[in-house]
Amino acid sequence: GAGVSQSPSNKVTEKGKDVELRCDPISGHTALYWYRQSLGQGLEFLIYFQGNSAPDKSGLPSDRFSAERTGGSVSTLTIQRTQQEDSAVYLCADEPYNEQFFGPGTRLTVL
Amino acid sequence: AQSVAQPEDQVNVAEGNPLTVKCTYSVSGNPYLFWYVQYPNRGLQFLLKYITGDNLVKGSYGFEAEFNKSQTSFHLKKPSALVSDSALYFCAVRDIYDYKLSFGAGTTVTVRA
Repeated sequence: GAGVSQSPSNKVTEKGKDVELRCDPISGHTALYWYRQSLGQGLEFLIYFQGNSAPDKSGLPSDRFSAERTGGSVSTLTIQRTQQEDSAVYLCADEPYNEQFFGPGTRLTVL
Repeated sequence: AQSVAQPEDQVNVAEGNPLTVKCTYSVSGNPYLFWYVQYPNRGLQFLLKYITGDNLVKGSYGFEAEFNKSQTSFHLKKPSALVSDSALYFCAVRDIYDYKLSFGAGTTVTVRA
């Protein structure tokens, strides 16, 4: 593909359900980031991957949030027991040349 | 700690007029600075960056930005705005020894025909 892709593009879930959000970065890019964009909080950093390791998870808002990356490529952000305040657009980015290129995002709505 | 301020929530200009979107930053060390644009229901698109070197940075779609270390500013400019420039613009910063970006709150630009 031509850039970072994310799936699904939209996800509607009920409060208390678990959700998985997927990010496919450009092949060979070792750095990967997750951010969250919400009306009240703006754009917030969630987690950073270097290869399959996550040296910085400081932005994850609670222990309901987790992320993994496999094969130095695909990353999955999992939110357990979703709450209404988790509603936001979740953005993934990779970083080829000191700039971060973002995917189109997943819009999560928790009812 | 690092942070960004975009003092204007909205900027309105007429097509053909100059466009400026303001950004000031705070970092403990030297900054890497970025501008991104977001169109409705789309992700963030990279416009330009300042890493080092010339203080005037040229980017995509005719945009440019000037790094001013003494004023800790990185204002985005376009000499002649187009209606299609109407979008949400984000300034972002990171310390050169950090990796995560800190974003401003965003400025909505409206260019009227």
